[in-house]
Amino acid sequence: QMQLQESGPGLVKPSETLSLTCTVSGGSITTFYWSWVRQSPGKGLEWIGYIHSSGATNYNPSLKSRVTILADTSKNQFSLNLKSVTAADRAIYYCARMPDTSGRGWFDPWGQGTLVTVSS
Amino acid sequence: QSVMTQPHSASGTPGQRVTISCSGSSSNIATNYVYWYQQVPGTAPKLLIFQNDQRPSGVPKRISGSKSGTSASLAISGLRSEDEAAYYCATWDDTLNGPVFGGGTKLTVL
Repeated sequence: QMQLQESGPGLVKPSETLSLTCTVSGGSITTFYWSWVRQSPGKGLEWIGYIHSSGATNYNPSLKSRVTILADTSKNQFSLNLKSVTAADRAIYYCARMPDTSGRGWFDPWGQGTLVTVSS
Repeated sequence: QSVMTQPHSASGTPGQRVTISCSGSSSNIATNYVYWYQQVPGTAPKLLIFQNDQRPSGVPKRISGSKSGTSASLAISGLRSEDEAAYYCATWDDTLNGPVFGGGTKLTVL
């Protein structure tokens, strides 16, 4: 059974870079698409971006200028970097697989999520 | 503000049937599959429906999805206390060129 686990600092200072890693077990990231989704406390879900096993990426236009998603197939991990963070970036960050070959599909499974707070 | 519109809340008593709507547009629901997720407080979203009306293994038959035009619906029959959660619709948006979510509906089992 595939499992995803987010890791990284729970506190980031304003204007700095948020960096998270998603470790995948029970399957390889060399197939399908791998995404980041966030949820501000008490709010809805927002797609951040994804990386394909080929290395191709696609980002939410509202975040594109600040986001980088990379993959490390040797560690079966993919990562999220979000630069120049503000308080508005405080959220639970989830990683998830998109198991549809078109890249336009669903998210399953999800990691448990990690809360990132932005504060000095 | 979400690209797709869902009612903020819904409710029902045990055993009842409830439906949750999701309204989109010609750039998303009309031309793409719809997905539904259940999120119990404090946990990650869980896939309930994929490709409009398909249930993943383990999702009971009393949960169903449908799509018509620019709208979609999730129906839960035989409502149970464990169904109390937030429900999100999702799809691909051709203008955004990425996935989009509805604002979510909080379902209360009375």
